[in-house]
Amino acid sequence: NAGVTQTPKFQVLKTGQSMTLQCAQDMNHNSMYWYRQDPGMGLRLIYYSASEGTTDKGEVPNGYNVSRLNKREFSLRLESAAPSQTSVYFCASRVTGGTDEQFFGPGTRLTVL
Amino acid sequence: AQSVTQPDIHITVSEGASLELRCNYSYGATPYLFWYVQSPGQGLQLLLKYFSGDTLVQGIKGFEAEFKRSQSSFNLRKPSVHWSDAAEYFCAVETPYNAGNNRKLIWGLGTSLAVNP
Repeated sequence: NAGVTQTPKFQVLKTGQSMTLQCAQDMNHNSMYWYRQDPGMGLRLIYYSASEGTTDKGEVPNGYNVSRLNKREFSLRLESAAPSQTSVYFCASRVTGGTDEQFFGPGTRLTVL
Repeated sequence: AQSVTQPDIHITVSEGASLELRCNYSYGATPYLFWYVQSPGQGLQLLLKYFSGDTLVQGIKGFEAEFKRSQSSFNLRKPSVHWSDAAEYFCAVETPYNAGNNRKLIWGLGTSLAVNP
């Protein structure tokens, strides 16, 4: 049981390049989330998926797209990376409903030059 | 609108000393409350959570938190800090399930804990 896994762990992009961050969970969770973490800003929600087949915008969705590929996988795509997207990205998942908590992946550290 | 405030950005304590990290929230009813810990270079791990019942909640690693409705607070405590407790601590709140589909965590900005030997 690996929990929530993210790939890659580190990535350096040039401005304008695109990339996809991958996230997978093996806990049979319904809901999945993408956050970014920046110094002094805490965690900010980019997109979330309450269940397979649905996605919704969070606080800071501009410049990102997501795909809920199946129940296990939730990817985050940067179509044209900008220096402002330099951040640490975390994926999380949870069981929908009840008194559940979110389980986090180890993060992807992205630098956009 | 819901909000979470962690008044202390950075705290330094000596190993063996007691610890209290503050968390205040703004919400009309009693939300679900969480404390997470993030070690350097790692993801976030749940320390404890409160939903209802006993207002003193026990968590992992010897941490506890007390919910005080009158003060809208959910402070995290540990009687004796270990050097391995040095990390970033985040408080988060969420509306209860029966409030509808808009259930997302609202995060505080975190408190960075340093532990002196």
